Amino acid sequence: GDSVTQMEGPVTLSEEAFLTINCTYTATGYPSLFWYVQYPGEGLQLLLKATKADDKGSNKGFEATYRKETTSFHLEKGSVQVSDSAVYFCALETSGSRLTFGEGTQLTVNP
Amino acid sequence: DGGITQSPKYLFRKEGQNVTLSCEQNLNHDAMYWYRQDPGQGLRLIYYSQIVNDFQKGDIAEGYSVSREKKESFPLTVTSAQKNPTAFYLCASSDGTGADRQPQHFGDGTRLSIL
Repeated sequence: GDSVTQMEGPVTLSEEAFLTINCTYTATGYPSLFWYVQYPGEGLQLLLKATKADDKGSNKGFEATYRKETTSFHLEKGSVQVSDSAVYFCALETSGSRLTFGEGTQLTVNP
Repeated sequence: DGGITQSPKYLFRKEGQNVTLSCEQNLNHDAMYWYRQDPGQGLRLIYYSQIVNDFQKGDIAEGYSVSREKKESFPLTVTSAQKNPTAFYLCASSDGTGADRQPQHFGDGTRLSIL
């Protein structure tokens, strides 16, 4: 079945550091890929998405590229801020509109 | 503003009781979903509905029930058969089909605890 594996957390960085959160997937067919962010006590917000190989999703300084050859969708940001502290979820969607989520990665950014 | 409203934000249940979580959306989305989130884990799909009067089991449907009598509403009942109901429950909705399908939009969740 479909699955998503995220790098284990938590991740702690200083402000302005470079961020990478790894995400790899296993899926039949050609999934769409997503990164969602969850702030404390809230639901999930869509951060970015990519629907086909080599697409790059980007939003708020975050980027991720759909790599079919390595089945990966790593999240990157060049300079993190304290306000980026949250839990980040990688997810995939195949047919039938069902999302499969990774375990989530807690990011803490210190001033 | 359009969005998804989940209520209540916090809910307490006694052992052996059924409890219903509300999810209402005014986005005119056809599809709605219920997920369960446990600490340190990703979201797991409980039930989903792609159209009014129709719904399907997700990965962890045992001990839960749903209805979809109206397009804007998708309530989830946690029954006494659910042995470990303490969790954060998230409702989502989406629209479109195939290549036009839009990403799922989430509510702010309901935290259910057992007294």
